[in-house]
Amino acid sequence: GAVVSQHPSRVICKSGTSVKIECRSLDFQATTMFWYRQFPKQSLMLMATSNEGSKATYEQGVEKDKFLINHASLTLSTLTVTSAHPEDSSFYICSAREIKSGTQETQYFGPGTRLLVL
Amino acid sequence: KQEVTQIPAALSVPEGENLVLNCSFTDSAIYNLQWFRQDPGKGLTSLLLIQSSQREQTSGRLNASLDKSSGRSTLYIAASQPGDSATYLCAVKNQAGTALIFGKGTTLSVSS
Repeated sequence: GAVVSQHPSRVICKSGTSVKIECRSLDFQATTMFWYRQFPKQSLMLMATSNEGSKATYEQGVEKDKFLINHASLTLSTLTVTSAHPEDSSFYICSAREIKSGTQETQYFGPGTRLLVL
Repeated sequence: KQEVTQIPAALSVPEGENLVLNCSFTDSAIYNLQWFRQDPGKGLTSLLLIQSSQREQTSGRLNASLDKSSGRSTLYIAASQPGDSATYLCAVKNQAGTALIFGKGTTLSVSS
């Protein structure tokens, strides 16, 4: 299947700093990417849908000014956690949508980024 | 709003047992359904993808069924092994272009 990478895999930062997470589709173009967050022992919760060349769509309760998403190319979306606080510590997973044969689509997931805010 | 429920939340079985994990969803008009495996602290591994027009998919010892009308899917694991111990997540996609919506998962422990 297609491959999605994330960088970094793990990051530790001080409270108040900003952290950027990159999500790349390595062997396909993705007009749409999704960002999820997973707290310990919880399931994946969708944060936002990122569309290439347009503004991201955020789920209810997710602050768009705190979680900045940029999808500037068909293979790269970035999530920036601005002014991070300890409660932002979580596992962030991105997913890219691949469309084959014009209609069939599959969602591929990156390996995740573990963020720890001290 | 689509909601995905997985039962049981946790399951412990001895090695060799056949087992069934259940997933239900509230809106039956789905595009596809996918089962994933997640090991502790790791990302997702896709196990089986069932399109809305399909009834089941098989891969090795795994078999997933889909009954759209009743809003249910089951993941059957045959002859379980300790290496099967992980959290199994069920996720549905409502429409093409939308994101997968996840259940809370079933944590499986297989003892040797």
